Amino acid sequence: AQKVTQAQTEISVVEKEDVTLDCVYETRDTTYYLFWYKQPPSGELVFLIRRNSFDEQNEISGRYSWNFQKSTSSFNFTITASQVVDSAVYFCALSGSTDKLIFGTGTRLQVFP
Amino acid sequence: DAEITQSPRHKITETGRQVTLACHQTWNHNNMFWYRQDLGHGLRLIHYSYGVQDTNKGEVSDGYSVSRSNTEDLPLTLESAASSQTSVYFCASSESGTGAANTIYFGEGSWLTVV
Repeated sequence: AQKVTQAQTEISVVEKEDVTLDCVYETRDTTYYLFWYKQPPSGELVFLIRRNSFDEQNEISGRYSWNFQKSTSSFNFTITASQVVDSAVYFCALSGSTDKLIFGTGTRLQVFP
Repeated sequence: DAEITQSPRHKITETGRQVTLACHQTWNHNNMFWYRQDLGHGLRLIHYSYGVQDTNKGEVSDGYSVSRSNTEDLPLTLESAASSQTSVYFCASSESGTGAANTIYFGEGSWLTVV
């Protein structure tokens, strides 16, 4: 069975702090893909990143970075120098042998000025 | 630009009524999905389709049905709406052919309240 766990229900930080959102996954598939989506207060789901199981290189995109570690089945997301506009619910998701996405329960990030 | 649209965006209905949520995508994607989002559960898969005339049950399919008569549309029907189906519904689509490699794109969501 596939499962995604986001243990942090809610995180609050002050602007300019760094924050890491944790994601732990379970799958028996040898080939799989991991995703992060952002859901701002307006409600839409915004695609952030997709990583495949064969590529463990960390990725950086501006203030966002992702740390994929197969040894611990984790795909953590770090926001550097957080901003108020980063306030949102962030979902980690897993897709294995099909196109179906299995989502975690999400982490609500609140960034205060 | 290609897109995926849902309608209605907001609806209030009464218990027992049949409700249909529309989903239309112009990406020409073969794969389409319906998810519901509830507090504490994240997004859960209701039904999905890999092409015309293909439909499959997801994790929480009871009380819902879908049909796929063309590539662009996957309407979601609540046969007899229940209060437990009050939720936000997201339609999504992706390309086919390479399994899990494809990014799934989501519509803006439909807020359904069953009273």
